[in-house]
Amino acid sequence: AQSVTQPDIHITVSEGASLELRCNYSYGATPYLFWYVQSPGQGLQLLLKYFSGDTLVQGIKGFEAEFKRSQSSFNLRKPSVHWSDAAEYFCAVGFYHGSGNTGKLIFGQGTTLQVKP
Amino acid sequence: DGGITQSPKYLFRKEGQNVTLSCEQNLNHDAMYWYRQDPGQGLRLIYYSQIVNDFQKGDIAEGYSVSREKKESFPLTVTSAQKNPTAFYLCASQQTANTEAFFGQGTRLTVV
Repeated sequence: AQSVTQPDIHITVSEGASLELRCNYSYGATPYLFWYVQSPGQGLQLLLKYFSGDTLVQGIKGFEAEFKRSQSSFNLRKPSVHWSDAAEYFCAVGFYHGSGNTGKLIFGQGTTLQVKP
Repeated sequence: DGGITQSPKYLFRKEGQNVTLSCEQNLNHDAMYWYRQDPGQGLRLIYYSQIVNDFQKGDIAEGYSVSREKKESFPLTVTSAQKNPTAFYLCASQQTANTEAFFGQGTRLTVV
């Protein structure tokens, strides 16, 4: 079955430190990949997306992610974290099914980021 | 501004009641989705619709119903058959399959 795993439920980093949030998926076909961010009580905002092409993608707010097909991973990175980055982060994966594609996304369980001053 | 509007933001339901959550989009998107979010479980798909007058069950459809009479609207009814309805509900839309999802601000439903 298709699945998405975010191994880290909770991460704490100091402001100014670098950040990497992990995401692994399970599926044999070509995925398309997203990272979303959610502030408490709010909807999800798209940070970045990968459909094809360059495996290193840039997003908003200084975030980037790298797709590694051999590792089935799509890890999110930021070189210097700001206090305003504290939020919950979700990795999501969609899968091409040809003409029958429903567009459904499978979400990981989320990683809560806490930023220490 | 284009976007997705969910209402109400907070909703309280008594035992045995049906309640309807509203979702409206002005993005001219064909596909719309309802997700349920519980702490530590990510988002789970309830129902989705790829075209007007057609919708499909997602992974946790039991106790829920939807309609898609207009392209812009995809209301979700939480019926009395849903035994544990307290959750945060998110509506999303996509222009087509294989594109990113845009989300509303969510509705928090609480059983009282």
